[in-house]
Amino acid sequence: GAVVSQHPSRVICKSGTSVKIECRSLDFQATTMFWYRQFPKQSLMLMATSNEGSKATYEQGVEKDKFLINHASLTLSTLTVTSAHPEDSSFYICSARGTSGFTGELFFGEGSRLTVL
Amino acid sequence: AQSVTQLGSHVSVSEGALVLLRCNYSSSVPPYLFWYVQYPNQGLQLLLKYTTGATLVKGINGFEAEFKKSETSFHLTKPSAHMSDAAEYFCAVSAPRAAGNKLTFGGGTRVLVKP
Repeated sequence: GAVVSQHPSRVICKSGTSVKIECRSLDFQATTMFWYRQFPKQSLMLMATSNEGSKATYEQGVEKDKFLINHASLTLSTLTVTSAHPEDSSFYICSARGTSGFTGELFFGEGSRLTVL
Repeated sequence: AQSVTQLGSHVSVSEGALVLLRCNYSSSVPPYLFWYVQYPNQGLQLLLKYTTGATLVKGINGFEAEFKKSETSFHLTKPSAHMSDAAEYFCAVSAPRAAGNKLTFGGGTRVLVKP
């Protein structure tokens, strides 16, 4: 099946710094990628939809200036958590949908655990 | 609008026993339905999906689910639990061809398998 890779898988940073998480589709082109946030023992909450070559669409309540999303190519989307604070600590997961055909299936990355000290 | 409700945040089963995870959905259009499994500190892996056609769908690892429109349900079952089935399971719904076609997830059900 299609492979989506996230990097880094774990990151620890100091409060006030910015952290970039990459999401790559390794064997297919992804016109649309989705970024989710997952708190411990909770479900996935959609943060934003990332479309190649255009601005991301953010869900209600998600600060677009806090969570910068860039989808510069058909295989790469990045999420930058700016001026991170401890409350931003979470598990961030991306998913991608291919360009050819559609059955509704999304392919998920392995997730990136962010810890802000 | 669409939503998913998973009954039971935790399910405990004995090894070899039936696994039944309940999922009910609401959708304004005929939905696409999915079950995903998540192991600790990992992303989600698709177990199975229903789009159209046969309402009983078979997935990986011996799991299957049945789409029941009249009950707005998509329960997941496995006849005989294995220790490796211990994980978090998420039911999800999307609306075909809807703008953005976003997945909406249920709250998840954590499965514990007892030896």
